[in-house]
Amino acid sequence: NAGVTQTPKFQVLKTGQSMTLQCAQDMNHNSMYWYRQDPGMGLRLIYYSASEGTTDKGEVPNGYNVSRLNKREFSLRLESAAPSQTSVYFCASRDSGIFEQFFGPGTRLTVL
Amino acid sequence: RKEVEQDPGPFNVPEGATVAFNCTYSNSASQSFFWYRQDCRKEPKLLMSVYSSGNEDGRFTAQLNRASQYISLLIRDSKLSDSATYLCVVIPPYNNNDMRFGAGTRLTVKP
Repeated sequence: NAGVTQTPKFQVLKTGQSMTLQCAQDMNHNSMYWYRQDPGMGLRLIYYSASEGTTDKGEVPNGYNVSRLNKREFSLRLESAAPSQTSVYFCASRDSGIFEQFFGPGTRLTVL
Repeated sequence: RKEVEQDPGPFNVPEGATVAFNCTYSNSASQSFFWYRQDCRKEPKLLMSVYSSGNEDGRFTAQLNRASQYISLLIRDSKLSDSATYLCVVIPPYNNNDMRFGAGTRLTVKP
């Protein structure tokens, strides 16, 4: 099992450009999450999908959109990137009834 | 006040030392607590859950103090491989999907 995979691993954007971060899990988990991690701060939840067909805002949703494409895949879209969105983005998933979240390897995004 | 606060460190200790980290949380109604480990430039991974009665896993002991709203992690007989950042995680009572992470405590174990 690959667990949670993310693409791309690295990305550089110019201000105003758009892009989509992809996440997939092969553990048949119901819930999936997107976080960002900035220096000196904990991981902060951007959006989550408690089950296929649902999405909800987390702590820092502004500037992002998400799509739960199917049970396996959960994408994060930046419509108009800003330098403040420079961060490391982690996708995670977990099974129902269990709190442990499994994380992907992260995407390092720089917005110039 | 942040929901979850940790001493950022760094803690630099020699091999074999005992080291302890604390983490405070603001919402007294929180029920679930965890320690995650994050190696440099890697993803976080669950280290252990923190139960009301305390929890021990080999050299690692986690404890919860509800009265003072903090959790702790004790590492005995530190190994070089314990060098990492340790993240405190609290699940608030209003949404068990909204895990709140501390900024992490960095540990370096030296030979």
